[in-house]
Amino acid sequence: DAGITQSPRHKVTETGTPVTLRCHQTENHRYMYWYRQDPGHGLRLIHYSYGVKDTDKGEVSDGYSVSRSKTEDFLLTLESATSSQTSVYFCAISEGGLLNTGELFFGEGSRLTVL
Amino acid sequence: KNQVEQSPQSLIILEGKNCTLQCNYTVSPFSNLRWYKQDTGRGPVSLTIMTFSENTKSNGRYTATLDADTKQSSLHITASQLSDSASYICVVTTGVGMEYGNKLVFGAGTILRVKS
Repeated sequence: DAGITQSPRHKVTETGTPVTLRCHQTENHRYMYWYRQDPGHGLRLIHYSYGVKDTDKGEVSDGYSVSRSKTEDFLLTLESATSSQTSVYFCAISEGGLLNTGELFFGEGSRLTVL
Repeated sequence: KNQVEQSPQSLIILEGKNCTLQCNYTVSPFSNLRWYKQDTGRGPVSLTIMTFSENTKSNGRYTATLDADTKQSSLHITASQLSDSASYICVVTTGVGMEYGNKLVFGAGTILRVKS
């Protein structure tokens, strides 16, 4: 298994509170991604990083921010959580881009419930 | 609009039987197609990755096919086992979207349940 650790694995919070999810990798891969998974939908990209301090938005980035100060850590922050952000969040990593046959490895997920 | 449609949404089969899951896509331009297995409460795990020139790819009892002309893929599971119970996700990579990371379009998945 790829060395990806997400924390916390489960969190319940209240509307309006800030939340930070952490993704830690031991593979030294360049690319890191945050996805959310909701019932009836495919995984959707929130933000991704292509290097330390290099990040960009995905398709559902509103309400989320990210930071990557070290190769191994990618943080996802919800500045003011809303009920629509209740979801399962997955971190993923890849050594290179995904245009060819580069593997994408996923973490175990963080289940967030916003009440 | 880039889309990946999977069918059926869910499927129940008896242990030992074979099954085939379908994936139709409208993603363009096409780069590659991936199948993932996701156990309940776990992250997706890669089964196969196929590029435009590959028609068939196997991984143990899993065989994926790709018809780039009709934009269809299938995942065939042979001699199913209880441990095959999972969600199977089809993912198509397009060569445009993100400058560095490329864009993955995920299907919603097919939930397979294998009964004894």
